Amino acid sequence: SYELTQPPSVSVSPGQTASITCSGDKLGDKFVCWYQQKPGQSPVVIIYEDTKRPSGIPERFSGSNSGNTATLTISGTQAIDEADYYCHAWDGTTVVVFGGGTKLTVL
Amino acid sequence: QVQLVQSGAEVKKPGASVKVSCKVSGYTLSELPRHWVRQAPGKGLEWLGGFDPEDGETIYAQKFQGRVTMTEDTSIDTAYMELSSLSSEDTAVYYCATDILTNLAFDIWGQGTMVTVSS
Repeated sequence: SYELTQPPSVSVSPGQTASITCSGDKLGDKFVCWYQQKPGQSPVVIIYEDTKRPSGIPERFSGSNSGNTATLTISGTQAIDEADYYCHAWDGTTVVVFGGGTKLTVL
Repeated sequence: QVQLVQSGAEVKKPGASVKVSCKVSGYTLSELPRHWVRQAPGKGLEWLGGFDPEDGETIYAQKFQGRVTMTEDTSIDTAYMELSSLSSEDTAVYYCATDILTNLAFDIWGQGTMVTVSS
């Protein structure tokens, strides 16, 4: 079965750039989306189709996907960005795969 | 505006079944792609399966095949997820979600239903 691998944790200083990776075999051939989840809340999609931001998501969130790695980049990270982040891709057209999640700490 | 409202928390004994509901508003249920995702305490997201209205097919994650059933009652615009033969490892928050807006990303989620399996 298809697997997506994320680092368990990433730390960043306020105002700096955070990068969270998601790796999978030929992941660049698939569309990747990213979710942000804060404690006690449902996940929220922040990037879809590799690079697109839904309405209301700040411009500091961006995504890329090439080769075997997709990357979520948060520019000018703020304290409110501290959360868990999950990548998601489809294995074929019907099976959903999530990465294990990355806890972002803003120090 | 599509909204998903789920049923309340459940406590079940090992070996029992649980049925979680997801009430849909703002869209025709039979035309809504919908999925079920769970999250064990302190753990990541795990997909259980989903319904594709384009072909009317329901796909279950291999891990849960034979133990999960996803159904609907269009008369009350409600989708259901039933999980049987529960064990403590099934203790989790269960979410319904749809990718109706973005097509490939779960853009609308229910509030989640906590299912606790304990003897």
